[in-house]
Amino acid sequence: QKEVEQDPGPLSVPEGAIVSLNCTYSNSAFQYFMWYRQYSRKGPELLMYTYSSGNKEDGRFTAQVDKSSKYISLFIRDSQPSDSATYLCAMSGRGNYGQNFVFGPGTRLSVLP
Amino acid sequence: DGGITQSPKYLFRKEGQNVTLSCEQNLNHDAMYWYRQDPGQGLRLIYYSQIVNDFQKGDIAEGYSVSREKKESFPLTVTSAQKNPTAFYLCASKRSRLADYNEQFFGPGTRLTVL
Repeated sequence: QKEVEQDPGPLSVPEGAIVSLNCTYSNSAFQYFMWYRQYSRKGPELLMYTYSSGNKEDGRFTAQVDKSSKYISLFIRDSQPSDSATYLCAMSGRGNYGQNFVFGPGTRLSVLP
Repeated sequence: DGGITQSPKYLFRKEGQNVTLSCEQNLNHDAMYWYRQDPGQGLRLIYYSQIVNDFQKGDIAEGYSVSREKKESFPLTVTSAQKNPTAFYLCASKRSRLADYNEQFFGPGTRLTVL
């Protein structure tokens, strides 16, 4: 079993749809949960990060973490064609263990106009 | 502008040749990382360095080497011992090796193709 699992897609939705992206993980030591967006042939950029369980909202984006289920989600409301990209989840622990991030394989999203 | 630069953007290598990928950051970050990205496999950690003159192997270090002689520079050499080097290589940096969490910033990447 991989440490972080993510459906690779591709996922195609019409413009304006609500998008749900998810990751599951196996290591209970993870405390920080990140979502990165990566456009084709570019480096990833951080969208959001969350510490421990709970929700975090930033504009059209909402990140949710459920540590009891080892499950994290990213919701995109009113999706736009400019949201078309690969979305990577990433996780890390605390202290010395937290120095390195573990990434999911990414979900490729296409938002169709 | 502060950030991470990687060069070249595209690199072609013949089998049996060593090549060096450049990574420079002007963010004054302590920690630097090299990842390899292949389709469907996400980012895999090759090497990382938390301080100058020190570096550690990641999950897939075989066939790669690095140096960290300066805080702002972390070059990666892909040696002929790397069996399947064609991939997208990403360099990243993070402010502090001591904090529990700092954002990891990425460079634009280098696409390496072995001919």
